[in-house]
Amino acid sequence: EADIYQTPRYLVIGTGKKITLECSQTMGHDKMYWYQQDPGMELHLIHYSYGVNSTEKGDLSSESTVSRIRTEHFPLTLESARPSHTSQYLCASRGGNNEQFFGPGTRLTVL
Amino acid sequence: QQQVKQSPQSLIVQKGGIPIINCAYENTAFDYFPWYQQFPGKGPALLIAIRPDVSEKKEGRFTISFNKSAKQFSLHIMDSQPGDSATYFCAASRFNAGGTSYGKLTFGQGTILTVHP
Repeated sequence: EADIYQTPRYLVIGTGKKITLECSQTMGHDKMYWYQQDPGMELHLIHYSYGVNSTEKGDLSSESTVSRIRTEHFPLTLESARPSHTSQYLCASRGGNNEQFFGPGTRLTVL
Repeated sequence: QQQVKQSPQSLIVQKGGIPIINCAYENTAFDYFPWYQQFPGKGPALLIAIRPDVSEKKEGRFTISFNKSAKQFSLHIMDSQPGDSATYFCAASRFNAGGTSYGKLTFGQGTILTVHP
């Protein structure tokens, strides 16, 4: 069974705060992804990683940064949150048969 | 050339109806076409996927039809149920891409499906 976890599920913070969204998977997948999704809208890839110590920016420009120090962990950080960062952030990992497994998402609101 | 266009944006059917969602792609290098289902407050989940070596794939009540020459594929939901009400996303990628692709999915814009009882 696919196990990919995201915390927190919901986060409301003030402008200028630094935040880290956590993502962990227990499947040993090398490839992991971060997507940004406004409610009911399409998914936009903002970061991806193909293994430890390898990260790349996605198709949608984002002020966030990511790190991949361990296979199972792929956190996303915003150094100074702004209202324009309000969105849902989805983490995913990819198995050998090309299937991407998604976490439940973090809904971020910046006041 | 990476775009995937999905239609309609929303769809309302009665229980037992057969909603059809369509997608068109541009990049002829794409060879993996999944459909994802997303319920409110949840992440997307893989529903069914097709490779271009077949023109149709069926899993339970869900069927993908694929037209390689037209670069189009569609999802049909047979005997739709209220529990099928969700947002559906098509996507496309290269199946075993190396280099900089790394299996990145390009998603369609999504279709909000409502099935009335």
